[in-house]
Amino acid sequence: GNSVTQMEGPVTLSEEAFLTINCTYTATGYPSLFWYVQYPGEGLQLLLKATKADDKGSNKGFEATYRKETTSFHLEKGSVQVSDSAVYFCALSDNYGQNFVFGPGTRLSVLP
Amino acid sequence: GAGVSQTPSNKVTEKGKYVELRCDPISGHTALYWYRQSLGQGPEFLIYFQGTGAADDSGLPNDRFFAVRPEGSVSTLKIQRTERGDSAVYLCASSPGLARYNEQFFGPGTRLTVL
Repeated sequence: GNSVTQMEGPVTLSEEAFLTINCTYTATGYPSLFWYVQYPGEGLQLLLKATKADDKGSNKGFEATYRKETTSFHLEKGSVQVSDSAVYFCALSDNYGQNFVFGPGTRLSVLP
Repeated sequence: GAGVSQTPSNKVTEKGKYVELRCDPISGHTALYWYRQSLGQGPEFLIYFQGTGAADDSGLPNDRFFAVRPEGSVSTLKIQRTERGDSAVYLCASSPGLARYNEQFFGPGTRLTVL
């Protein structure tokens, strides 16, 4: 079945540091890939997505590129802020928007 | 506009009891998803509705779990003979169409505790 693997946290960075959170997946067909974020005390919300190979999703300075050859969708940001502290979830869905699978989440803490 | 709402926000019950968890999706959203999230884990897919019908219920762990969406809007997740292992946060999400292309909007969740 489909699965998502994320780097384990917690990740602690200083403000303005470079962020990478690794995500790899196993899926049949042509899944869509997502990053969701959960800020403290809030519900899950979509951060960015990519629906086909080589697509780059971007939002709020975060980027991730759908790499079919390496089955990866790593999240990056050039300069993190304290307000980026949250839990980040990588996820995928199959061709039909079904079989949604989330990774375990990576907690990011950004220190001033 | 109003987002996805879930009631109750917290539910404490005793082992063996029956519980119902309600989800009010965003008006007009045809797709509705239920997930279960245990502490320190990502959401685990349970069931997906497209309109009134369950398009995919492969994530329901066993026949104690059942969900309905009779009018294509509000959905209820029903758990019979609750067990301590059912304790988790139950999340509902809705989407204007296939979640492959459309964002899922999540509710705040219902925290279920089975004593």
